[in-house]
Amino acid sequence: GQQLNQSPQSMFIQEGEDVSMNCTSSSIFNTWLWYKQDPGEGPVLLIALYKAGELTSNGRLTAQFGITRKDSFLNISASIPSDVGIYFCAGRRNTGTASKLTFGTGTRLQVTL
Amino acid sequence: GAVVSQHPSWVICKSGTSVKIECRSLDFQATTMFWYRQFPKQSLMLMATSNEGSKATYEQGVEKDKFLINHASLTLSTLTVTSAHPEDSSFYICSANDPGKNTGELFFGEGSRLTVL
Repeated sequence: GQQLNQSPQSMFIQEGEDVSMNCTSSSIFNTWLWYKQDPGEGPVLLIALYKAGELTSNGRLTAQFGITRKDSFLNISASIPSDVGIYFCAGRRNTGTASKLTFGTGTRLQVTL
Repeated sequence: GAVVSQHPSWVICKSGTSVKIECRSLDFQATTMFWYRQFPKQSLMLMATSNEGSKATYEQGVEKDKFLINHASLTLSTLTVTSAHPEDSSFYICSANDPGKNTGELFFGEGSRLTVL
């Protein structure tokens, strides 16, 4: 199945640094979601975006729905050790809630003290 | 928030046996649930869409006779891996929307790790 391209693939940063990651697609999506997955667990929703250009924050996390509808960005400010995990973007083409999500390839984040 | 729960969280079985994984929506009714598979260090790949009261819709390349899906009630979908083989070892995750919220947000279960010996 199709996947969205996420970059970077992995990041090693120091505690307190800011993090940026993005997700791109060759086709348009109407919804963008960002998830975090800890080892051995299911993904947990971080931020949902529904309109092109939308900028939404959740604590230290900020995500944007790209104007072209083909990309999205996630920023984490002042990283802490518990930010460690894999971050996935996911896009939905149709507006119906029963429509499928396509997942990105993931960004693995490591935070050092 | 919406909660989706899976059982078992991990299972080990012998090659050739069948394994059933349950996915429940705990505080909402889900007419549609999604089953994903995730291999180590890879992303989530959609296997099938489970529809309450009707047949599941399988993604290309996923064998419907091997991965049996039953969505008998609005709160329960089951995935049965039939005649499991070592290459079926993976992390299986279910998910569902809360139709009452109509936000399009997909909530995931804790995942079920299958190891086939």
